[in-house]
Parts: sequence; structure tokens; C-alpha cells
Amino acid sequence: DAGVTQSPTHLIKTRGQQVTLRCSPKSGHDTVSWYQQALGQGPQFIFQYYEEEERQRGNFPDRFSGHQFPNYSSELNVNALLLGDSALYLCASSLWTGRSPLHFGNGTRLTVT
Amino acid sequence: QQQVKQSPQSLIVQKGGISIINCAYENTAFDYFPWYQQFPGKGPALLIAIRPDVSEKKEGRFTISFNKSAKQFSLHIMDSQPGDSATYFCAARGYNNNDMRFGAGTRLTVKP
Repeated sequence: DAGVTQSPTHLIKTRGQQVTLRCSPKSGHDTVSWYQQALGQGPQFIFQYYEEEERQRGNFPDRFSGHQFPNYSSELNVNALLLGDSALYLCASSLWTGRSPLHFGNGTRLTVT
Repeated sequence: QQQVKQSPQSLIVQKGGISIINCAYENTAFDYFPWYQQFPGKGPALLIAIRPDVSEKKEGRFTISFNKSAKQFSLHIMDSQPGDSATYFCAARGYNNNDMRFGAGTRLTVKP
């Protein structure tokens, strides 16, 4: 039973560039959430996707956008990268119904130079 | 954005000892309180969770104590082992709200 998988594991980008991160949810899960974890901090909620729609959004600018595909996988896009966007980006999957717990992937480490 | 305060930032415990991590929350709409364990290079993994209708939940060596009136909850790790050395995060989420709020984390070191 595959857990949550994320790609790539590491990424280095330059300020102003754009980046796309990918996530495949745990088998059987239909909901994907994205979190940003700065060094030494707890994860912060970016947004959540269900049925290919953004259902809820945290306090992040519009430079952060996402997408969910019919197979439940998801992408996180960040435009006009800033140095402060350097962080570990975590994808978590769950079931929409039943308030199921979050299952996290191992994240993508993004470094913006 | 953070509405969950966690302490201490770091904790050193001898093997066999009890590790205690505390969290306090502000939002009375929170109704689900999980604890996550994170090893370096890995994502957080759910350890144990509690809802506010019970005051304590135990799973193996891990216990959550919950005080609704004080808006506080804590994680107790009994018989701490070197393999428990990791960063622990408390979190909270409201009903029909998918925005899980995390504490800043506690780095636990268990010395052999």
C-alpha cells in the first residue's frame, strides 16, 4: 500500500522563477492538502483540494496555486519565487468524509537563491 | 497564523525516563488534537490523537492528557527510548475546518 509520494525531493531555484511540485496521495484517499514548513517551525496550511477544486486556503498569497487531477494527484505551483519561499513543502492526503487523519509525504525541499 | 503554542522547544531525557510536551490553544472551536512525530528528512507521522470529549487517551507508551477548561493538552512518553529522539508537533483543527494548526515543535533527545 503506497503512502503519499512527492517529487522532486530537492529543488534549487532562483528568485523570480516559477516552480511546480507534485504529489500522489495514499491509495484510497481523495483529498490533498499542502503545507509549508520553514526550518525549525511547524507546518503551515497552504490549501486543500477535493474533487479538483480548492476547498480551503490558508494565509498565502496568490503566487501559490494548485491543481488536483481526476486521479486525485495534485500539483503546487509557486510563481515569482522569493528567498522566503525556501522551505520544506509537504503534501498530506486524507479522506474528505469521516474527518480522517492526515498522512504526510516526505516533502520537497525547495531552496531559492 | 499560529494558534497553538508548544513548549518546551527542546527536551533532553535519559533512557527510561518520562518525556512531557505541552501545548495550549486559543480557538474554542478546535475539536481534534493530534500529535505528530517527525524524523529528519521525513514528513510528520501521526502518533496519537484525542477529541475533547475525553480527558486522556493512551496508546502503548504514549498518552495524551487533555484539559478542556484550561485549553491545554500534553503528550507523555513513558519509558523513553533513544529511538524516540525526533521532533514532536502538537496540532489542532476545528470541526468542518480543514486548516490544521501546528505548534512550533519540540526537539526530543533521549540519551542512552
